[in-house]
Parts: sequence; C-alpha cells; structure tokens
Amino acid sequence: DTAVSQTPKYLVTQMGNDKSIKCEQNLGHDTMYWYKQDSKKFLKIMFSYNNKELIINETVPNRFSPKSPDKAHLNLHINSLELGDSAVYFCASSTSGYTDTQYFGPGTRLTVL
Amino acid sequence: LAKTTQPISMDSYEGQEVNITCSHNNIATNDYITWYQQFPSQGPRFIIQGYKTKVTNEVASLFIPADRKSSTLSLPRVSLSDTAVYYCLVVPTGGGNKLTFGTGTQLKVEL
Repeated sequence: DTAVSQTPKYLVTQMGNDKSIKCEQNLGHDTMYWYKQDSKKFLKIMFSYNNKELIINETVPNRFSPKSPDKAHLNLHINSLELGDSAVYFCASSTSGYTDTQYFGPGTRLTVL
Repeated sequence: LAKTTQPISMDSYEGQEVNITCSHNNIATNDYITWYQQFPSQGPRFIIQGYKTKVTNEVASLFIPADRKSSTLSLPRVSLSDTAVYYCLVVPTGGGNKLTFGTGTQLKVEL
C-alpha cells in the first residue's frame, strides 16, 4: 500500500505554462507538506497545511499555491512556470505537527524548458 | 530557526560503525533533533529523533550532549544498502515556515 503518492512522477513543460502536481496520503494524517529539492539537494519546505491552518514559507513566490480538496489531498498549483522552478517536489504528511514523523512521497521531477 | 552543519560526505566499509555529527549551535529550548535518510530518486525517510541524551531504535542511535549544540547519528555495522544522504534537522515544536533540511551528508559504503 502506498502511503504518500504523487502524480506525475516526471513533468516537462515550457516556461509560462501552468501546471499542477497531485498528492494523496492514505495514512489518515492531519498535516501535509510540500518541499522543493533543488539541484544542490537542498530540501526546503514550501507549505505546511492541516485542515485548519496553512503556513506558507514567505520565500515561496505567490505563483505557487496549495489546494486541499480534503484532508487526504494537497495539490500544488504552479502558475507562469519559470526556469528556476525546475526541481524535485516532494509531498509529505505527518500526524499533526513538525515533530511528528513525516512520510514523504516519491517526488515529482519538474523540468521547465 | 537553528541552522545545521554536517560534513558533506563520508566513506565507510561494510561492517563498520559510522558516526555523523551535526552542529546546531543556536538550537532553541523547544527544538527537537531529527535525522532523515534519502536514497536516490526517493523521498526522505525518518530515521530517529531526540531531544537530549541518547535515543536508540532498531536502525540507529542518536547522541545529544547536554548543551544540545550538536548531535551524532550512529549507524552500527553499516552495509552497502546504507549508502544514502543523511539529513540532520532541527524541528521547532511550535511550528516553522522555514524548515530546511540542509545539504546533508552523503554516506558511501563500500565492500
């Protein structure tokens, strides 16, 4: 059984396009996250979200927006894609807060041409 | 948030004990220390977490001195499959929107 799944695994697109990455967790967790891992392997949190609160890393451009249709899903929408958005994006979930174990998805490699 | 510093890479041989040290000089009172492991093309996986002294689980041990300004992840008798990147992370209990895993330590285990 897949705990945290992401689709697509690979995404290649042109600059200026709008794209979405989907994330689903079947662990019954309350909190979900999106991370960006750049080419230097830095893994930085972008958002954390539970059904009550969205916390945004202020360094994230407002072209990025999380959408949560329900507790098990947190999708990432990206508008007007730029070359610098190329990275691997990981979704994760945890029971509640940051100190709880985070379970990561397999990642989505986004390439912007 | 507390910044962490780890060695960029380490090499070891199968069967040896590996100790990876992480510095976090400005750790706050309520922060926990967490370690994750990441294999190529996979998401990070939780290894161990601690607040002070020593924590041990079936995978690793975590040693934290009294001042908590550093921590050491100890992997007993590593195998080839332990080759991965290991991230040290200081996690605030109060939440935080700047959580960053840092560069991590690339551990390479050879025969």
